[in-house]
Amino acid sequence: DTAVSQTPKYLVTQMGNDKSIKCEQNLGHDTMYWYKQDSKKFLKIMFSYNNKELIINETVPNRFSPKSPDKAHLNLHINSLELGDSAVYFCASSQNRGSYEQYFGPGTRLTVT
Amino acid sequence: LAKTTQPISMDSYEGQEVNITCSHNNIATNDYITWYQQFPSQGPRFIIQGYKTKVTNEVASLFIPADRKSSTLSLPRVSLSDTAVYYCLVGDPWVTGGGNKLTFGTGTQLKVEL
Repeated sequence: DTAVSQTPKYLVTQMGNDKSIKCEQNLGHDTMYWYKQDSKKFLKIMFSYNNKELIINETVPNRFSPKSPDKAHLNLHINSLELGDSAVYFCASSQNRGSYEQYFGPGTRLTVT
Repeated sequence: LAKTTQPISMDSYEGQEVNITCSHNNIATNDYITWYQQFPSQGPRFIIQGYKTKVTNEVASLFIPADRKSSTLSLPRVSLSDTAVYYCLVGDPWVTGGGNKLTFGTGTQLKVEL
């Protein structure tokens, strides 16, 4: 069974479109994260939710909006996509907000043309 | 922010011990040091975490000197399958809001050859 899963794995879209990436974890963890990895392999946290509560909200354009319907799911919606949004987006989860051990999903490669 | 600096790449041969050092001069009191491994087209995988001195698990050891301004990940007897990017992460997950320190560095590309 996949611990942290993301859909879709690949996403190719045009500038200006709105898209969503979904993430689910079956580990029973309380905390979930969204990371962005750019072409230079920098991996930077964007958001974190703990039991559906937003606890980390980094300097990210308002076009990015996370939503956590329950603690097993964390989705990322992106409005008005721009070329610079092209990256790999990783979802991760950890047992609780104080845990350093995060479990990452396989990533979603977003390409904006 | 506790910025980290790692070598961009390292080469090794199967069976050798590999030591990857990470510098984090402005590490804060509450910061822990965590190392992750990432294979191409996969998400990072947790390797080890520590606060000070030495930590060892079944895959690696982590050495942290008393001043905590650096740390060394030690991989004993590497194999071809250890070829990956290794990230040092310094931070405190209890920091919420904005300005969180959970940012990975550039990572070290380890290449293991026969």
